[in-house]
Amino acid sequence: GNSVTQMEGPVTLSEEAFLTINCTYTATGYPSLFWYVQYPGEGLQLLLKATKADDKGSNKGFEATYRKETTSFHLEKGSVQVSDSAVYFCALDAGGTSYGKLTFGQGTILTVHP
Amino acid sequence: GAGVSQSPSNKVTEKGKDVELRCDPISGHTALYWYRQSLGQGLEFLIYFQGNSAPDKSGLPSDRFSAERTGGSVSTLTIQRTQQEDSAVYLCASSPKAFGVEETQYFGPGTRLLVL
Repeated sequence: GNSVTQMEGPVTLSEEAFLTINCTYTATGYPSLFWYVQYPGEGLQLLLKATKADDKGSNKGFEATYRKETTSFHLEKGSVQVSDSAVYFCALDAGGTSYGKLTFGQGTILTVHP
Repeated sequence: GAGVSQSPSNKVTEKGKDVELRCDPISGHTALYWYRQSLGQGLEFLIYFQGNSAPDKSGLPSDRFSAERTGGSVSTLTIQRTQQEDSAVYLCASSPKAFGVEETQYFGPGTRLLVL
């Protein structure tokens, strides 16, 4: 079946540090890949997505590249801010008859200190 | 316009009682999804609606769980004879997509259910 594995947290960084949250997936076919973010007290929001191999999704300084050869979609940001503190979820949509059914990773808690 | 709304925001119930959770999707969105977020299981898919029909119910954990959608809009998730393991945050999402086309899902704030 389809699955998503993301790095265990929590991750604690100082402001302006470099961030990487690893995400790997298992899926048949050609899934679409997503990063969702959940800020404290808020609902899940789409952060970025990529729908085919070698696509790079980007938003708010975050980037992730769809790597089919390594089945990965690692999230990166060059300089984090306190306001980036949140829970980050990697997810896939396997498409086909499963269109729209998102499979999520376990989530990674990120805390950024001033 | 307004985003996805869910009610109630919090629900405390006793084991064995039935509960109904409501989702109001974004107006005009044809697809609607229910997910469950719990400490032990993370975020799990429950059910998907396209219009009023549910082509994918594969995530419903037991026959105590059911959902319906009326008028292509509001959806209700019902849990009968609640158990303590049903305690979780129930999330609803909607998307504008027609069947077979990938579209962004917009999530509601969730209903936090606690079964005592």
